[in-house]
Amino acid sequence: NAGVTQTPKFQVLKTGQSMTLQCAQDMNHEYMSWYRQDPGMGLRLIHYSVGAGITDQGEVPNGYNVSRSTTEDFPLRLLSAAPSQTSVYFCATRGGTDTQYFGPGTRLTVL
Amino acid sequence: AQSVTQLDSQVPVFEEAPVELRCNYSSSVSVYLFWYVQYPNQGLQLLLKYLSGSTLVKGINGFEAEFNKSQTSFHLRKPSVHISDTAEYFCAVSSFGNEKLTFGTGTRLTIIP
Repeated sequence: NAGVTQTPKFQVLKTGQSMTLQCAQDMNHEYMSWYRQDPGMGLRLIHYSVGAGITDQGEVPNGYNVSRSTTEDFPLRLLSAAPSQTSVYFCATRGGTDTQYFGPGTRLTVL
Repeated sequence: AQSVTQLDSQVPVFEEAPVELRCNYSSSVSVYLFWYVQYPNQGLQLLLKYLSGSTLVKGINGFEAEFNKSQTSFHLRKPSVHISDTAEYFCAVSSFGNEKLTFGTGTRLTIIP
């Protein structure tokens, strides 16, 4: 039982490049979400999904796309990376109405 | 809308001393409250949560928190800290009927030997 896994752990991009951050879970949770963590700002919600085929925007969605074709996977796509997207990205899942379980994070640097 | 305020960005404490990390929230409906801990270069781990019932909540690693509805607070406490408690602590809130979890900006706890 791996819980929530994220790949890659580290990534360096050049401005304008695109990439996909992967998130997978084996807990059969319906709710999944993506956060970014920046110093002094806590965690901010980017996008979330309440089940396969259903996604919605969070607090800071601009520049990011998501899709949810299966319960297990919730990839986050950066369409054209910008230095302002340098951050640590966390994926999280939630089974019921309360506790969220976080992945180990992806540290992204955009040059 | 819901929000969380963590009043202290950094808290230095001597080893074996008590500590309190402060958290205030704002919401117009019933809330669920959480404290998460993040050790260096790791993801977030749940320390404790308040959903309903007793206002004093006990969590892992000897931490506890008290929900105070009149003061809209959910302060985290530990009677005696250890070096291993060095981490960043996040308070978070969600509301009945609201899927989203809103985080505070975090408090960095530093234990002084």
